[in-house]
Amino acid sequence: NAGVTQTPKFRILKIGQSMTLQCTQDMNHNYMYWYRQDPGMGLKLIYYSVGAGITDKGEVPNGYNVSRSTTEDFPLRLELAAPSQTSVYFCASSYSATANYGYTFGSGTRLTVV
Amino acid sequence: AQTVTQSQPEMSVQEAETVTLSCTYDTSESNYYLFWYKQPPSRQMILVIRQEAYKQQNATENRFSVNFQKAAKSFSLKISDSQLGDTAMYFCAFMTLPQGGSEKLVFGKGTKLTVNP
Repeated sequence: NAGVTQTPKFRILKIGQSMTLQCTQDMNHNYMYWYRQDPGMGLKLIYYSVGAGITDKGEVPNGYNVSRSTTEDFPLRLELAAPSQTSVYFCASSYSATANYGYTFGSGTRLTVV
Repeated sequence: AQTVTQSQPEMSVQEAETVTLSCTYDTSESNYYLFWYKQPPSRQMILVIRQEAYKQQNATENRFSVNFQKAAKSFSLKISDSQLGDTAMYFCAFMTLPQGGSEKLVFGKGTKLTVNP
């Protein structure tokens, strides 16, 4: 019962570097999401996907890219890391037909850009 | 735009006592869902309780219950018999099901709850 798995758990990047945050779910959920959580703030939606091959922007998409080639995987790409992207990143998934059950979240990735 | 407001950045309560966390939201939709999530120091987001807007009865889950006031757009969380393990950040969240669109959770900024022994 893995649920939503995020890797890595921690990462330090230098300004201008790129990286991919991995997210995998084994619940056959159609919907997947990427959120970021800044200190003292709630979670803000970066990108989301309603199914394989379909992605859309959330509230704060600038500086990020996503892809959804399979139902299970939803990686988040940072192309040119900036200090403003220092945050904790959460991946989540849900089965849209039963949205009232809320989301299943991964354990988060703490990213620091220096 | 839909917003969620948690007006209490921090709260504390003595073990075994009751505490209520406040949440208000703003929406023009009539069909929506409300949630409370708990985030302990481990950072894991854990669903505590949910409420469907069309249900008048307040949701309860063991020691957790909500006071849902639809007209006032208020959704408070009551924790009874507080335990040390309840120490965490608590986030109120809101979701609509727009026609032809995707459901998306909108979060408040959170309330940091500390349960003191």
